[in-house]
Amino acid sequence: DAGVTQSPTHLIKTRGQQVTLRCSPISGHKSVSWYQQVLGQGPQFIFQYYEKEERGRGNFPDRFSARQFPNYSSELNVNALLLGDSALYLCASSLLSDTQYFGPGTRLTVL
Amino acid sequence: DQQVKQNSPSLSVQEGRISILNCDYTNSMFDYFLWYKKYPAEGPTFLISISSIKDKNEDGRFTVFLNKSAKHLSLHIVPSQPGDSAVYFCAASWDNQGGKLIFGQGTELSVKP
Repeated sequence: DAGVTQSPTHLIKTRGQQVTLRCSPISGHKSVSWYQQVLGQGPQFIFQYYEKEERGRGNFPDRFSARQFPNYSSELNVNALLLGDSALYLCASSLLSDTQYFGPGTRLTVL
Repeated sequence: DQQVKQNSPSLSVQEGRISILNCDYTNSMFDYFLWYKKYPAEGPTFLISISSIKDKNEDGRFTVFLNKSAKHLSLHIVPSQPGDSAVYFCAASWDNQGGKLIFGQGTELSVKP
């Protein structure tokens, strides 16, 4: 079975631009969560979506938004990019009452 | 406020010996704890978990111990293998509902042949 997939693998943007990251969960998983991992730190929770509804939100500014589609895939959008948004963005999927499984991540570099 | 802490940034162990990775937490409401392993350029891979009603969970070479009174958990790897070399993260949550995980900073384990 395919694991969690994310696209693109790498992305380079400039300050002020907008970016959209994509995630496809493991088949049958209806919960998708997004995390940001800055170098040298553990992942930080951004959002959880379940059945297309936002179920949780971390301490991130409103420049960050997400949505989940009927097929349970998800997009993370970041507007007005800052240098500090450079990070590895991880998507995790799960059955609601089960362990989260992570994708390989999207490496975002903001110049 | 760092609710989950891994105070050792790195650990070096000889192949065949035991690796012990430690994690401390501050929030007594955490109900579920997990360990993930991460190789460079990959996402975290789930290793083992434990709920707060248990004090030990074992899966092959990996054992997680939970000491609720000390708010401490540890991951034991026996015997350690060179392929275990990676960054290990502990994580905690208030439930096992697929939601917010709070991660520690990670410990880089190096297993030398």
